[in-house]
Amino acid sequence: GQQLNQSPQSMFIQEGEDVSMNCTSSSIFNTWLWYKQDPGEGPVLLIALYKAGELTSNGRLTAQFGITRKDSFLNISASIPSDVGIYFCAGRTYPFGNEKLTFGTGTRLTIIP
Amino acid sequence: DVKVTQSSRYLVKRTGEKVFLECVQDMDHENMFWYRQDPGLGLRLIYFSYDVKMKEKGDIPEGYSVSREKKERFSLILESASTNQTSMYLCASSQPRGTDTQYFGPGTRLTVL
Repeated sequence: GQQLNQSPQSMFIQEGEDVSMNCTSSSIFNTWLWYKQDPGEGPVLLIALYKAGELTSNGRLTAQFGITRKDSFLNISASIPSDVGIYFCAGRTYPFGNEKLTFGTGTRLTIIP
Repeated sequence: DVKVTQSSRYLVKRTGEKVFLECVQDMDHENMFWYRQDPGLGLRLIYFSYDVKMKEKGDIPEGYSVSREKKERFSLILESASTNQTSMYLCASSQPRGTDTQYFGPGTRLTVL
C-alpha cells in the first residue's frame, strides 16, 4: 500500500520555539488530516483539511493543504511541554465516504529543557 | 465521552502461539480498524470492517485475521505468532459516510519471543 513521507522524522527543540513539519505523497489526496499521539496513548485528531490551498488553525496549530494535493504542512507556534509526542499526517482519496486513511511515518517532537 | 478500549496494554507471547487482541467501542460506530505502528513506518492498516461480519483487507493483512461478531467488538487474531509481529497494535473506530475522526484505543504493545 502507499505511504506518506513525513519530515523531519524527529525534532528536538526548546520551549517557545516554532515547529514546522510536512508530509508528501506520490499520489493525490482529497482530504488531509493531522493527528497527535501522546506517549502511551492512541492518536487524536488535531486538524482536518478538505480543499487544495486551504489553511486551517486550531489554537497554536496551523495546517495547510498543498496546492498540488500531494502535500500538507503543520506548524506549531510557541511550543509548550504538552506539545511533546508523535505527529502523524493522514490522507484520504476518493470516493468520499471511503473511510480508509493512509498514515504518514510520523514526526517525533521532543522539547529540551 | 467516546471510548475505545483494548483488552491489554502489554502482551508477551511465544512464537507459534495463537494471539487474540480485543477491541471494544462504546460509540455505536459502524467502522472499525486495526493498525500496527512501527518506528519509522507510521501506522499501517491491517484489516477494517464496515459492519458486523464484514471485513476487508488493509495494506498488510498477511499473518492476521479478524472477527466482528458484534458491532461494538473487533478482534485481531494472529494464528501463529512470529517475532516480526512484535509491534504496537492500535484499534480505531469511526462513523460511516465521510466522518473524518477515527477514535483510537490506547494500543497493545505485543512482544513475540
